Amino acid sequence: GQQVMQIPQYQHVQEGEDFTTYCNSSTTLSNIQWYKQRPGGHPVFLIQLVKSGEVKKQKRLTFQFGEAKKNSSLHITATQTTDVGTYFCAAADSWGKLQFGAGTQVVVTP
Amino acid sequence: GAVVSQHPSWVICKSGTSVKIECRSLDFQATTMFWYRQFPKQSLMLMATSNEGSKATYEQGVEKDKFLINHASLTLSTLTVTSAHPEDSSFYICSAREGKNQPQHFGDGTRLSIL
Repeated sequence: GQQVMQIPQYQHVQEGEDFTTYCNSSTTLSNIQWYKQRPGGHPVFLIQLVKSGEVKKQKRLTFQFGEAKKNSSLHITATQTTDVGTYFCAAADSWGKLQFGAGTQVVVTP
Repeated sequence: GAVVSQHPSWVICKSGTSVKIECRSLDFQATTMFWYRQFPKQSLMLMATSNEGSKATYEQGVEKDKFLINHASLTLSTLTVTSAHPEDSSFYICSAREGKNQPQHFGDGTRLSIL
């Protein structure tokens, strides 16, 4: 199946700083989804991107889908301690099965 | 919002025991549920796709006789780890979705420890 590469795998951020996590695929994706998993918790759906070049915002989170639909990014501004967790991108195949990226583990220091 | 309940949340048992994990969609009907396995600090690995009223579809390398899946109704899927051994210890998570292009909603997961 399609493979989704996600970088960085680890992100150490000072509170108030911005950061971005990236997701790349060698094949064109029908859609891409983003999930957040808090330590000890389960993945929680954040957003789904479907259209080429789509940009969606959720408060301090900005999600982008590339023009070629092969990459996506999640940008968080003014990081807060509540942003701690692992952020996964996931690509759906034609059956709707998700292939998850490796995840970006975010640690925030006050 | 869509809620998925997974039970039990934690299991510790002896080697050779079979363990059943339940996954329920509480406020929506899920024709498809998914079972994942997650090792510490790693990503989610899809084990199988559970379809209501039909046999589960297993991913390559997952033993179907070891991990029995039953999707008895539109709101319930079960995963049974048969004759569990220490190497089966892991975090198992289920998810459910309402339709093919809908997002997946995850249960809280089950931490399985085999002694």
